[in-house]
Amino acid sequence: GNSVTQMEGPVTLSEEAFLTINCTYTATGYPSLFWYVQYPGEGLQLLLKATKADDKGSNKGFEATYRKETTSFHLEKGSVQVSDSAVYFCALSDRGGGSNYKLTFGKGTLLTVNP
Amino acid sequence: DTAVSQTPKYLVTQMGNDKSIKCEQNLGHDTMYWYKQDSKKFLKIMFSYNNKELIINETVPNRFSPKSPDKAHLNLHINSLELGDSAVYFCASSQGSAFNQPQHFGDGTRLSIL
Repeated sequence: GNSVTQMEGPVTLSEEAFLTINCTYTATGYPSLFWYVQYPGEGLQLLLKATKADDKGSNKGFEATYRKETTSFHLEKGSVQVSDSAVYFCALSDRGGGSNYKLTFGKGTLLTVNP
Repeated sequence: DTAVSQTPKYLVTQMGNDKSIKCEQNLGHDTMYWYKQDSKKFLKIMFSYNNKELIINETVPNRFSPKSPDKAHLNLHINSLELGDSAVYFCASSQGSAFNQPQHFGDGTRLSIL
């Protein structure tokens, strides 16, 4: 079946450092790819998405590019802030039955940013 | 205004009991989901409903029974609770279940089985 592999955390950075969280996927067909973020005690929030090859999703200074040739969707940010501390999930859309789709998530990467 | 709201936020109960979690969304979406997040943060879909109709049913014990009285509500009833049911349960919604539709999540219900 389809799957998502994320780099294992935790990741600890100093404020203003560069962030990369690796994500690769295995899928039949051409899934949509997503990054979700979960702040402590909250539900997941969509951070960005890309629906086809070479699309770049971006939001709040975060970016990720859908790379079909390397089946990757790595998350990057040039300068992290303490407020970016959260768990980050990479996900792909996956057929759940008929024409319906569901999200398959990676295991999440905990990011801690220190002042 | 809370878009996807779940109640209760915390649920502590004993093994063998029956409990329900409620979910409501005010986004006008027609598709709703239940996810289970384990202690290692791994998130897995359990069920999905579209316009009150069950469309996704993953491999979940039949002690778990979802019910959707209307497209704005999706409740989860769990019978004969077991220790392994301890987790955070998230409700989510989306407009349609197409491959590019993002989902909106509630804040979760933390279920602890004693």
